[in-house]
Amino acid sequence: DTEVTQTPKHLVMGMTNKKSLKCEQHMGHRAMYWYKQKAKKPPELMFVYSYEKLSINESVPSRFSPECPNSSLLNLHLHALQPEDSALYLCASSRGQGLNTEAFFGQGTRLTVV
Amino acid sequence: LAKTTQPISMDSYEGQEVNITCSHNNIATNDYITWYQQFPSQGPRFIIQGYKTKVTNEVASLFIPADRKSSTLSLPRVSLSDTAVYYCLVGAGGGGFKTIFGAGTRLFVKA
Repeated sequence: DTEVTQTPKHLVMGMTNKKSLKCEQHMGHRAMYWYKQKAKKPPELMFVYSYEKLSINESVPSRFSPECPNSSLLNLHLHALQPEDSALYLCASSRGQGLNTEAFFGQGTRLTVV
Repeated sequence: LAKTTQPISMDSYEGQEVNITCSHNNIATNDYITWYQQFPSQGPRFIIQGYKTKVTNEVASLFIPADRKSSTLSLPRVSLSDTAVYYCLVGAGGGGFKTIFGAGTRLFVKA
């Protein structure tokens, strides 16, 4: 199984809502990532988890809250988002801190904030 | 992390070989060079990775000169389905692996 599964595929939420994005992998990878991608732009790194601990936060606003309940799951909790947060949110995983690590990406969650 | 520079876009025709060059002048000794492909509304997909000289797999080749300040992704005999954005990334894995994407190259393959 070389898949990273993200749910939901599409999400529409109001600015006062609380929602969560979910990501799952069963490849035994110990590093997991959240990216945000706006239209016609490259993915932007948001968070990196290594061995279930947050290792990198790229100065992301606190309305985005990541969580790694176990080595296979990664969540992104959303609260009080703004319309400009509408984007494709991508989850990825990789073996870990190796020098030649390939990242596997999910299909993403298309988020619309209204 | 080393900054990468790629052409913004390229056009090609079906059946041709496409070479996309990436410049990474500040590459560090322990950095690897990795290329990803992305179709619209999908996550990026790993294509190939190398450290030096030449790497080949079933979909592409990667050429890296001795000074490692640039690299060239070679796609043999492209088809319409190779129309996508191609990203060159340079970095190492240690100390909290970061995958930072550059602007990417939009490849258009025409019939």
